[in-house]
Amino acid sequence: AQRVTQPEKLLSVFKGAPVELKCNYSYSGSPELFWYVQYSRQRLQLLLRHISRESIKGFTADLNKGETSFHLKKPFAQEEDSAMYYCALHGGSQGNLIFGKGTKLSVKP
Amino acid sequence: GAVVSQHPSRVICKSGTSVKIECRSLDFQATTMFWYRQFPKQSLMLMATSNEGSKATYEQGVEKDKFLINHASLTLSTLTVTSAHPEDSSFYICSARSGTDGYTFGSGTRLTVV
Repeated sequence: AQRVTQPEKLLSVFKGAPVELKCNYSYSGSPELFWYVQYSRQRLQLLLRHISRESIKGFTADLNKGETSFHLKKPFAQEEDSAMYYCALHGGSQGNLIFGKGTKLSVKP
Repeated sequence: GAVVSQHPSRVICKSGTSVKIECRSLDFQATTMFWYRQFPKQSLMLMATSNEGSKATYEQGVEKDKFLINHASLTLSTLTVTSAHPEDSSFYICSARSGTDGYTFGSGTRLTVV
């Protein structure tokens, strides 16, 4: 069954520290993976997608098919990175996204 | 970029009444709209998929008669929670596939049934 797992509910780091938000997936085909971010009182917005292989706001994510992972990384966290982060898989039967439970990132000054 | 406007953002209703939530795609045509529900500290769970001009497809366990979905035009999809009860209180989010931008989300509706 298609599934996205984000093992950490909360990740707290200090400003300037490296960040890694974990995401593992289960999917039988060729996965299309996304990271979405939700800042306080704002809507979900796309952060990045694996097919773009781009860096947004300093964040990167590499698809590792062997480990079925798509971890989100940033070398130096900023306070404005504090938000909810959702890993998502395009793999639903209706063409929908399947979401992980989300990780709340808190960056302390 | 693509924008989905969702209204209302917050609604409180009495038990037994119905509530309509609207989602509009502002600068693109959304042939497909997804409706999600999010409980506190939980993930977004797909409730149903609405396709313009046809019946919605509901996920297992979602009551069709309770959550009425209408997608009469390429820019508007509505979700009506009928005979709402306190257990229907939740955060409802719509989303549309928006070309190369991927998925665009509405700002969500916080429904509280008292």
